[in-house]
Amino acid sequence: SAVISQKPSRDICQRGTSLTIQCQVDSQVTMMFWYRQQPGQSLTLIATANQGSEATYESGFVIDKFPISRPNLTFSTLTVSNMSPEDSSIYLCSVARENTEAFFGQGTRLTVV
Amino acid sequence: AQSVSQHNHHVILSEAASLELGCNYSYGGTVNLFWYVQYPGQHLQLLLKYFSGDPLVKGIKGFEAEFIKSKFSFNLRKPSVQWSDTAEYFCAVNAPMGNTPLVFGKGTRLSVIA
Repeated sequence: SAVISQKPSRDICQRGTSLTIQCQVDSQVTMMFWYRQQPGQSLTLIATANQGSEATYESGFVIDKFPISRPNLTFSTLTVSNMSPEDSSIYLCSVARENTEAFFGQGTRLTVV
Repeated sequence: AQSVSQHNHHVILSEAASLELGCNYSYGGTVNLFWYVQYPGQHLQLLLKYFSGDPLVKGIKGFEAEFIKSKFSFNLRKPSVQWSDTAEYFCAVNAPMGNTPLVFGKGTRLSVIA
């Protein structure tokens, strides 16, 4: 299993500002994944963070808007830049090991006003 | 690329009714399959998972799912729903080799009425 600590758990931010979300895993993992869950929607993969290389972004997500850091095998950050109300969502980090379920952080509920 | 289709957007059932939520996936190889539940205002919770073996998988809270490889399906079932089952249900898949992200379906909202 894996225990994931994510913070902040929630925040209310002014439009135009940026928020950095932190994700700490209790064991080393190669890949960490960042998801977004917009209100009333499913989870959409934003990017895959691999230690030692640039993150790989899914279609519709760009590095300038969602820069990701992965300084070591247990930690990653996602920044939501130049926020607008449309960025109001729950952001989750996740890890997946072979033949186990994926593990999720508790999520960061972001409201942009 | 993997994709997951959940055919029912919103299902409304009376208590004690039987439930079946459809899930089909698109992927050419072996997959891991999952059902997650999200209660109102809560975080995702794993209901059940399939990796290999018996295609009929039993999960928590009386839920089960059947993997039918020929139909690329993994439907969720419960013989008798309760009001407390009101939630959003998500089907998800990933490749089994590890370090692969889950791909989620759009979800099915279940409303159970008394």
